[in-house]
Amino acid sequence: GNSVTQMEGPVTLSEEAFLTINCTYTATGYPSLFWYVQYPGEGLQLLLKATKADDKGSNKGFEATYRKETTSFHLEKGSVQVSDSAVYFCALSPYNFNKFYFGSGTKLNVKP
Amino acid sequence: DTGVSQDPRHKITKRGQNVTFRCDPISEHNRLYWYRQTLGQGPEFLTYFQNEAQLEKSRLLSDRFSAERPKGSFSTLEIQRTEQGDSAMYLCASSLGTGDGYTFGSGTRLTVV
Repeated sequence: GNSVTQMEGPVTLSEEAFLTINCTYTATGYPSLFWYVQYPGEGLQLLLKATKADDKGSNKGFEATYRKETTSFHLEKGSVQVSDSAVYFCALSPYNFNKFYFGSGTKLNVKP
Repeated sequence: DTGVSQDPRHKITKRGQNVTFRCDPISEHNRLYWYRQTLGQGPEFLTYFQNEAQLEKSRLLSDRFSAERPKGSFSTLEIQRTEQGDSAMYLCASSLGTGDGYTFGSGTRLTVV
């Protein structure tokens, strides 16, 4: 079946620290992988995506690489800001994009 | 077109009442999805439409739930005889189905008392 597992939060970092949020997946076939972000009081927003193995998605200083051999899609950022405080969701979509499977979310708190 | 709109933002209802939510997708998006999100969890798939056709329904969507998308534009999600376990955020999303990801609305938060 299809499922996503991501590290539990909350993750608390100081501003300018390095961020890693782990995400692993189980999928049938060759899914596309996504990270979504949810800021307080707002809807989910697409942060980045990767559609095939070894692809790197990037946006706003965040990066994630589609690793088929380790079935992982870890989110990284070199220097976090207070404004990055949000909940981050890893998700996969099977080849036909009929639905997404989301992880449970990781809350990030960045302190000044 | 500024995105996916959902109405209402919040709904408080008494157990046993019926509720209906509306979603207006991005106009050129032919796919529309409903998800449910409970506190501390990621969104769970409920159903999706391609144009006006409802192509898949989750087992989470009991017979008290019904969704429609007349004319392939806006969609409604109705919950009949609400139960406390229905309390959640109901999210609507739309897409072109090309793999670019969804655009989500801000959701309707349902509280059943």
